[in-house]
Amino acid sequence: TQLLEQSPQFLSIQEGENLTVYCNSSSVFSSLQWYRQEPGEGPVLLVTVVTGGEVKKLKRLTFQFGDARKDSSLHITAAQPGDTGLYLCAGSNNNAGNMLTFGGGTRLMVKP
Amino acid sequence: DTGVSQDPRHKITKRGQNVTFRCDPISEHNRLYWYRQTLGQGPEFLTYFQNEAQLEKSRLLSDRFSAERPKGSFSTLEIQRTEQGDSAMYLCASSLFMNTGELFFGEGSRLTVL
Repeated sequence: TQLLEQSPQFLSIQEGENLTVYCNSSSVFSSLQWYRQEPGEGPVLLVTVVTGGEVKKLKRLTFQFGDARKDSSLHITAAQPGDTGLYLCAGSNNNAGNMLTFGGGTRLMVKP
Repeated sequence: DTGVSQDPRHKITKRGQNVTFRCDPISEHNRLYWYRQTLGQGPEFLTYFQNEAQLEKSRLLSDRFSAERPKGSFSTLEIQRTEQGDSAMYLCASSLFMNTGELFFGEGSRLTVL
């Protein structure tokens, strides 16, 4: 069974601060996605990374896929209250029907 | 709106009753997935279809759970003899067969079993 562990589980910060969320596994994934989920809604895809060492930027969000494709990080610069939500990483393995294995999530609260 | 839609959004039922959820995927997507999410946790995989064929089922899916996708379009997830432990958000997602594995989720169906 492939497992993804996210840390921290909870994060409460002030507007304007920077933060990093980590997603780690002992397994190799063919690709990794980051999703953001708001209460009562389904997860919404933010980014997909597929190449070891890949870095993608989405405005104030920077995503990195580890060289060995076992881990990933999400860095948010100058967090805003609108960034509040549950951030989920999810790994995909081509040999498993592209089913996603999700981490437990990081719940982020950004206070104004 | 051409996204994934789920119905109902909320269902409250008494223990022992049967419930059915429906999912309409994005029309050109041939893969459809069901996930379950409990409060404060990430989604857990239940089952997936490629067209009308159910190709994988999680061990989480007890024999009280059954899913169908009869014509390769919409899907239903039925839970028989519901238990309080079935209370969760049931999420449906769809995708095209592609290497990057990106899923597009619906808004979910929240089940509360009293």
